[in-house]
Amino acid sequence: GAVVSQHPSRVICKSGTSVKIECRSLDFQATTMFWYRQFPKQSLMLMATSNEGSKATYEQGVEKDKFLINHASLTLSTLTVTSAHPEDSSFYICSARDLGDPGQDNSPLHFGNGTRLTVT
Amino acid sequence: AQTVTQSQPEMSVQEAETVTLSCTYDTSENNYYLFWYKQPPSRQMILVIRQEAYKQQNATENRFSVNFQKAAKSFSLKISDSQLGDTAMYFCAFMKHSSAGKSTFGDGTTLTVKP
Repeated sequence: GAVVSQHPSRVICKSGTSVKIECRSLDFQATTMFWYRQFPKQSLMLMATSNEGSKATYEQGVEKDKFLINHASLTLSTLTVTSAHPEDSSFYICSARDLGDPGQDNSPLHFGNGTRLTVT
Repeated sequence: AQTVTQSQPEMSVQEAETVTLSCTYDTSENNYYLFWYKQPPSRQMILVIRQEAYKQQNATENRFSVNFQKAAKSFSLKISDSQLGDTAMYFCAFMKHSSAGKSTFGDGTTLTVKP
């Protein structure tokens, strides 16, 4: 089955530094990936849609200069949290859908295992 | 725009019993997909079951089944013979047909299976 790998699973950084999170589709190509933020016991909040070879589409209220997204290949999207502050501490998840199989129009999202970011 | 509502923030069930999680949604679309995802304490999101809106037959996956009522815009999840490993947060999700995957999620229901 389709697998999405997210790295790192856990990161601690100092306030003011930048952190990069990677999301890879291991056995399928993903022209579109999604980045979410999740607070404890809450739902996934979509931050942005990452588009291969073009600019990401950010949801309302998400600072694009703060959360830089790059999707330079069909299997890799990165989210960089720039000048991180303690309020950026959260759980970040990526997902993608495998659209390669014509018989799988009902294919679900496949999720990375998440990154717990702690900014001190 | 679509909305997904899960009205039960928390539920509990005894092991081996049956539990139903509710989900309602609102959309003007006619072709779409509905999903239930599970997020256990590990926080890895896992697909539980999916339903195509054009199919009248309710989807089933082993102990998991749905009651899909298109006219009522309702999509409940029934878990039979609950197991301790079913303890997780469950999210109902809506996706438009032929979508790249952008989905609308409910707020989630935290299910605890008690021994």
